Amino acid sequence: DGGITQSPKYLFRKEGQNVTLSCEQNLNHDAMYWYRQDPGQGLRLIYYSQIVNDFQKGDIAEGYSVSREKKESFPLTVTSAQKNPTAFYLCASSIGASGAETQYFGPGTRLLVL
Amino acid sequence: GDSVTQMEGPVTLSEEAFLTINCTYTATGYPSLFWYVQYPGEGLQLLLKATKADDKGSNKGFEATYRKETTSFHLEKGSVQVSDSAVYFCARSKNTGFQKLVFGTGTRLLVSP
Repeated sequence: DGGITQSPKYLFRKEGQNVTLSCEQNLNHDAMYWYRQDPGQGLRLIYYSQIVNDFQKGDIAEGYSVSREKKESFPLTVTSAQKNPTAFYLCASSIGASGAETQYFGPGTRLLVL
Repeated sequence: GDSVTQMEGPVTLSEEAFLTINCTYTATGYPSLFWYVQYPGEGLQLLLKATKADDKGSNKGFEATYRKETTSFHLEKGSVQVSDSAVYFCARSKNTGFQKLVFGTGTRLLVSP
């Protein structure tokens, strides 16, 4: 079955530690996205990538980094510079970026700080 | 800038009641409009969408009509079920540059038997 997988489901971070969240899709989509979800707020865009080897900052990129070396993979690293990382992180993909295309979401990773 | 405003929740209904969740958007350009649903502990799933004025999106008994004159995209369902309990997000595409989605804050729906 085609879809998006995220791992792990839960992730614990210690102070000063970098952690990496995995996102893989087998939908052959060009565009991929990372969102952060906090209680009572909508989704906020962290980074997005329209094509392999290219990515752009979203609205809240500080303290995060990404790479897009393969079409199917878009890992997100939460660095120690992100002072409030506790949140639910969602990865998504779409065929392209015309605005009318549906974004397909993974099941999410919940990041907690120890 | 581009934004989406949803009614605050939670919305609490009895099974078989009529549902309306209001959504309005900023009237810049000609965005596509979406409703996504999120069940507990899961990612978002597309519920329905509309790409131009007067289009009606529909799925699983839910409907929403793209109203340009009132900049609205209200979600409706004639008879809700307990299994419809979830958080519903309204979203619009941006108008400039890369077509990112702008999401509302979400509305939690609780349906009791």
